[in-house]
Amino acid sequence: LAKTTQPISMDSYEGQEVNITCSHNNIATNDYITWYQQFPSQGPRFIIQGYKTKVTNEVASLFIPADRKSSTLSLPRVSLSDTAVYYCLVFTSGTYKYIFGTGTRLKVLA
Amino acid sequence: GAVVSQHPSRVICKSGTSVKIECRSLDFQATTMFWYRQFPKQSLMLMATSNEGSKATYEQGVEKDKFLINHASLTLSTLTVTSAHPEDSSFYICSASSQGTEAFFGQGTRLTVV
Repeated sequence: LAKTTQPISMDSYEGQEVNITCSHNNIATNDYITWYQQFPSQGPRFIIQGYKTKVTNEVASLFIPADRKSSTLSLPRVSLSDTAVYYCLVFTSGTYKYIFGTGTRLKVLA
Repeated sequence: GAVVSQHPSRVICKSGTSVKIECRSLDFQATTMFWYRQFPKQSLMLMATSNEGSKATYEQGVEKDKFLINHASLTLSTLTVTSAHPEDSSFYICSASSQGTEAFFGQGTRLTVV
C-alpha cells in the first residue's frame, strides 16, 4: 500500500483558495487517490477521488500530474466551516482498505 | 452517497465489562466492513477487515480476542470490546464497501471506560 505524506497543518483566511499537496511516491498502476475530510468526533467524509489529470466536483478539485507521485486538493474560497483535517489516501481498485496517513489540519481564520 | 450508521454514538462502561458497537449499511449490501480506532488528535488506525460470513482479518498488533468482530449479514457488523479498560477508551469508526466499490464511513462511536 502506497504511503502518503502531507503537511501536518495549514492556516488560511476565509475566501482564499487552499491547496493541499500529498506525496505518494510509490503509487502503483492500479491505485486511486481519494481525499477525505474529518471534523472532530465525526467519521471521515468523502471529498473527491481521481486517477490522473484533473477531477472537479461541487466542493473541490483534484490535480494529479502525469507521474502520479503527488496530488493536490484545491478548495476554492474556503469558509470557517472548512476547518477540519484532510486526509489523502491511496488505494487499489477492488479493495477499499484505506490506510490513513497523518492528515493535514486546516484552520480557516476570519 | 450511501449511508453507514453506527450505534451507539457514545457509550460509557465500567472497567472489566464488555461493550458492543454496531455498524449498519442502511441502503446497500456491505460485502466488506472495516473497523478503525482513533485517539485524540491522531489519525485513524485500521484495526480489522471483515467480509460477510468470514472471520475478520486483524492488523498487526490488534488483539483479536480483545476486539471481537462479527459480520454475520450484508448490512451489519459488530465490534465487541471485551473486558474493557481505560486504555481502550477511544473513538471507533467503521466503514463499509460493496464488492470493491467506494467505502462509506459511519459517524463513529466514542467509548469511555471508567
